[in-house]
Amino acid sequence: DAGVIQSPRHEVTEMGQEVTLRCKPISGHDYLFWYRQTMMRGLELLIYFNNNVPIDDSGMPEDRFSAKMPNASFSTLKIQPSEPRDSAVYFCASSFQGPGTEAFFGQGTRLTVV
Amino acid sequence: AQSVTQLDSQVPVFEEAPVELRCNYSSSVSVYLFWYVQYPNQGLQLLLKYLSGSTLVESINGFEAEFNKSQTSFHLRKPSVHISDTAEYFCAVRGVGDDKIIFGKGTRLHILP
Repeated sequence: DAGVIQSPRHEVTEMGQEVTLRCKPISGHDYLFWYRQTMMRGLELLIYFNNNVPIDDSGMPEDRFSAKMPNASFSTLKIQPSEPRDSAVYFCASSFQGPGTEAFFGQGTRLTVV
Repeated sequence: AQSVTQLDSQVPVFEEAPVELRCNYSSSVSVYLFWYVQYPNQGLQLLLKYLSGSTLVESINGFEAEFNKSQTSFHLRKPSVHISDTAEYFCAVRGVGDDKIIFGKGTRLHILP
């Protein structure tokens, strides 16, 4: 398996524009996590899915953020409208269901909102 | 709910010297504990994990961590660091019966020549 695949790797957009980040988890994994990494706040869990169903979105900062998982092999994180403070690295991770299973991370998407 | 505290944001250490990166956690249930490493411009990779049994766990590249339930700690150690260990290290916790994996803020390890 190629691992967790995220696209794009880098995104530069203007304030107010819509941004969509994409993730393909490892085949067979039951969980999908979206994290945001910043210098100030470290690695924050935004939302996670189990078997394509959103379980906990309490980490999503505002209504401008939304995430979907239409099938087991694809998820999106959308920011609309984007703001400069959304600039960060966004990671997608996936894992099996089972006690103590670790998460496997993608390479991340570096988002810059100007 | 679980939380993780990594007390040091940066740790400078000379090459071939020993290092300890500290991690404390808080949880109302039993936990699984992880250390991840992040090299520049890359995603996080699992370094080692504690599930149960022996409290000392080791990685293939010389790191080890010890689970201390009374201290609620899971410190990472290496007896002799190499320049290639330069990276950011994250401690993480997953509660037994919980789905979330919660990370600390990370510790940046600087290896000095």
